[in-house]
Amino acid sequence: AQSVAQPEDQVNVAEGNPLTVKCTYSVSGNPYLFWYVQYPNRGLQFLLKYITGDNLVKGSYGFEAEFNKSQTSFHLKKPSALVSDSALYFCAVRDKSGGSYIPTFGRGTSLIVHP
Amino acid sequence: EAQVTQNPRYLITVTGKKLTVTCSQNMNHEYMSWYRQDPGLGLRQIYYSMNVEVTDKGDVPEGYKVSRKEKRNFPLILESPSPNQTSLYFCASSLGDSSTDTQYFGPGTRLTVL
Repeated sequence: AQSVAQPEDQVNVAEGNPLTVKCTYSVSGNPYLFWYVQYPNRGLQFLLKYITGDNLVKGSYGFEAEFNKSQTSFHLKKPSALVSDSALYFCAVRDKSGGSYIPTFGRGTSLIVHP
Repeated sequence: EAQVTQNPRYLITVTGKKLTVTCSQNMNHEYMSWYRQDPGLGLRQIYYSMNVEVTDKGDVPEGYKVSRKEKRNFPLILESPSPNQTSLYFCASSLGDSSTDTQYFGPGTRLTVL
């Protein structure tokens, strides 16, 4: 079984400050991990993914995420937030050892960046 | 431009009136899927298809049908819509049956069933 948790419904941060959006996961084997972003009235857009290798993954728009196997986490980070980063962020997981291709998405975290 | 398109974008209908939401992709992707997005529940997969004429149930398939007669199209059919199917629906596609594939999402269809 696979699951993912985004413990915060909303994250508020001032523009220019660093931001973190949290994600923890549970899988039977090893995970593939993804972050997607949804801007208002738009579909989801891919940000970044962790497959294997370096635990720090860099993605679009200056975002990065760190895979931490011991803490089963994959938190999304950005050193300096922009107002335009305000959106809904989804973490997703797939179990490498699982036969199903069905991904599991988190409930989403609303990021609000204040000017 | 590579994209996933959905139609209609907005739909208000009444209970029991059959409807179809179309989805089309121009990237020659093999894998396509449908999700519904509800507040507090995130995205839940309804159905997916790994290739033409190959479809399978996702997490919440009840009340929905799909077909995959052509590689580019993957319509979602609600034979007898009910108010609990009021939701925001997304179609997605990806290159192939690989867990590492990035999914490309359509713009969404907001459905209201009265």
